[in-house]
Amino acid sequence: GNSVTQMEGPVTLSEEAFLTINCTYTATGYPSLFWYVQYPGEGLQLLLKATKADDKGSNKGFEATYRKETTSFHLEKGSVQVSDSAVYFCALITGFQKLVFGTGTRLLVSP
Amino acid sequence: EAQVTQNPRYLITVTGKKLTVTCSQNMNHEYMSWYRQDPGLGLRQIYYSMNVEVTDKGDVPEGYKVSRKEKRNFPLILESPSPNQTSLYFCATAEIGGRGTEAFFGQGTRLTVV
Repeated sequence: GNSVTQMEGPVTLSEEAFLTINCTYTATGYPSLFWYVQYPGEGLQLLLKATKADDKGSNKGFEATYRKETTSFHLEKGSVQVSDSAVYFCALITGFQKLVFGTGTRLLVSP
Repeated sequence: EAQVTQNPRYLITVTGKKLTVTCSQNMNHEYMSWYRQDPGLGLRQIYYSMNVEVTDKGDVPEGYKVSRKEKRNFPLILESPSPNQTSLYFCATAEIGGRGTEAFFGQGTRLTVV
């Protein structure tokens, strides 16, 4: 079936370090891909998305490129801040509005 | 302001005591869904609804019920809660149709069943 695999966390970085969180997927057809972020005590909110191969989603300094050949959608940021500490979920849409989530990756950024 | 409102935010209850978690949205979205979030398992869909009076099972529906009598509300009902339903629950809504449609989430309900 359709699934999303994320790297296990926590990912611990110092402020201004480079961030990569890996995400790969298995899906039939051509899914849309998302990264959602969950700040402490809050619900999920959309961080960025890409709807077709080679699309790059970007927001708040984060980027991810839809790579069909490697079935990947890795999240990157050039310089993380303490305020980026959160849990990040990779997700895809299959069929009609059915979101499939990865298990989430916790990011901890220290000053 | 676009909002998805869940209540309560926190709930501790005893095994077998029926409870309802409410979800309300002000975006006029047809689609609404419930998820539970558990460590190491991510978010798993419980039930979803495409429109009023239209509901369907997600991946983990056992032990839950839902109803959609009006567009804005989608309550989650636990008729006889058990400890394995201790979890963090999220309601989500989205517009129907189109690739890349954003889902909007409530702030979550942390349920503990003892």
